[in-house]
Amino acid sequence: DTAVSQTPKYLVTQMGNDKSIKCEQNLGHDTMYWYKQDSKKFLKIMFSYNNKELIINETVPNRFSPKSPDKAHLNLHINSLELGDSAVYFCASSQDLWGGDEQFFGPGTRLTVL
Amino acid sequence: GQQLNQSPQSMFIQEGEDVSMNCTSSSIFNTWLWYKQEPGEGPVLLIALYKAGELTSNGRLTAQFGITRKDSFLNISASIPSDVGIYFCAGQLGQLMKTSYDKVIFGPGTSLSVIP
Repeated sequence: DTAVSQTPKYLVTQMGNDKSIKCEQNLGHDTMYWYKQDSKKFLKIMFSYNNKELIINETVPNRFSPKSPDKAHLNLHINSLELGDSAVYFCASSQDLWGGDEQFFGPGTRLTVL
Repeated sequence: GQQLNQSPQSMFIQEGEDVSMNCTSSSIFNTWLWYKQEPGEGPVLLIALYKAGELTSNGRLTAQFGITRKDSFLNISASIPSDVGIYFCAGQLGQLMKTSYDKVIFGPGTSLSVIP
C-alpha cells in the first residue's frame, strides 16, 4: 500500500559502474520527480516528468538518464558512477505540475560510490 | 537563482518547549510549504500556504505566509520527542501562473532535537 516506493533502499557500488534506481507511485498522479539530497541534507530537484514527458532537467550531468515507461514509473539510470554521486536520491510524485500540489516522497535510495 | 534561507540551522530544546523557525527568500513566492523529514525517510508535507498573510494550523503546528511573500514562519507548540527531524521550507511561484511550471525550491532545513 506504499504510495511512492523506491528500490533499492541501499546501493553500494564501485566508481565507474552503471546502476539504476526504480520508482513507482500508486497514487494516480501525473507528475513524478527525482531529487538528490547531499550529505548536508540539501534537497535539489534533478528531473520532473509529467505524463511521461520530461519537464524539468536541472543541469544534471548527462550520465544521469531518467526513463518513464508509464505515468506510474520513473526510473533513474546512472552511468559511469563517480564519488560525488554518493547521496540519497528521492523519488516524489504530485497530482500535477501546478503550484502548491503536495509532493509525496518515497523513502529514498542511499547510494554509496566507493 | 532563487534561494531560501532557514534559521536556525539546528535547535536543541527540552520537551514541552515551543519552537519557532523561519524561512526567507530574496524573491517572492506564491506558495509556501513546510515539510518534515524523519531519519531514514522522505520528507512529508506538514502545511501548505497559498495566500500572503495566511495563518494555518495543523495540530500543534502553526505556519504563516509572510505579507511580503518573501518569508514564512513555522511554530511548534509543546514539543514532544517525536517532533525530532529536519524541517524544510519550500517555495513555489506557480500557484497563480498555470501557463508554465515553476519548480519547488527547498530551503536547507532546520534540524530539531527534543530532549525528553
